[in-house]
Amino acid sequence: ELKVEQNPLFLSMQEGKNYTIYCNYSTTSDRLYWYRQDPGKSLESLFVLLSNGAVKQEGRLMASLDTKARLSTLHITAAVHDLSATYFCAVTSFGNEKLTFGTGTRLTIIP
Amino acid sequence: EPEVTQTPSHQVTQMGQEVILRCVPISNHLYFYWYRQILGQKVEFLVSFYNNEISEKSEIFDDQFSVERPDGSNFTLKIRSTKLEDSAMYFCASRGAGGLETQYFGPGTRLLVL
Repeated sequence: ELKVEQNPLFLSMQEGKNYTIYCNYSTTSDRLYWYRQDPGKSLESLFVLLSNGAVKQEGRLMASLDTKARLSTLHITAAVHDLSATYFCAVTSFGNEKLTFGTGTRLTIIP
Repeated sequence: EPEVTQTPSHQVTQMGQEVILRCVPISNHLYFYWYRQILGQKVEFLVSFYNNEISEKSEIFDDQFSVERPDGSNFTLKIRSTKLEDSAMYFCASRGAGGLETQYFGPGTRLLVL
């Protein structure tokens, strides 16, 4: 059974600082996604990572994938308050449509 | 920009009642999904649907659950006899035909079973 774990579960950080969220998964996967969820809202797609060494960046967020280590990271650069949200990673395994989600990381940016 | 829509946004029902949650996927999408999220927990897969049939379902998706695409635009999730533990946010998602497509999520229906 595919398991996806994220850490940390909760993260408070000051504006302007850098930090990284980690996502580990238990079996080989063909795609890894990062989603953002604001309180009471839906999931917004941020990135999809397909291959080993893939790196994608959008604004202050950068995601990377190491398929050998079964690890993805979401790096936040010079955090701003607008980035406060819960971030989920999710994976699909080969031949399988469903997204298996991680536990989520609730990020709070403090002014 | 096209988006997935869901109705109602909130539903309160009594235990044992039937509920139907409705979704309108993005118009040219072919793959449809239901997920749920119990308050404060992670998102869980329920079912995937393609070519008018279920392609995969989870252990959560038991005989009390069913899905249907009654016309060319709607995709519904029915819970026949709701239980207290069915209280959750239910998300519909859809994706296009390409193998690299992302699943796009609707705004969700918050279901409360009393």
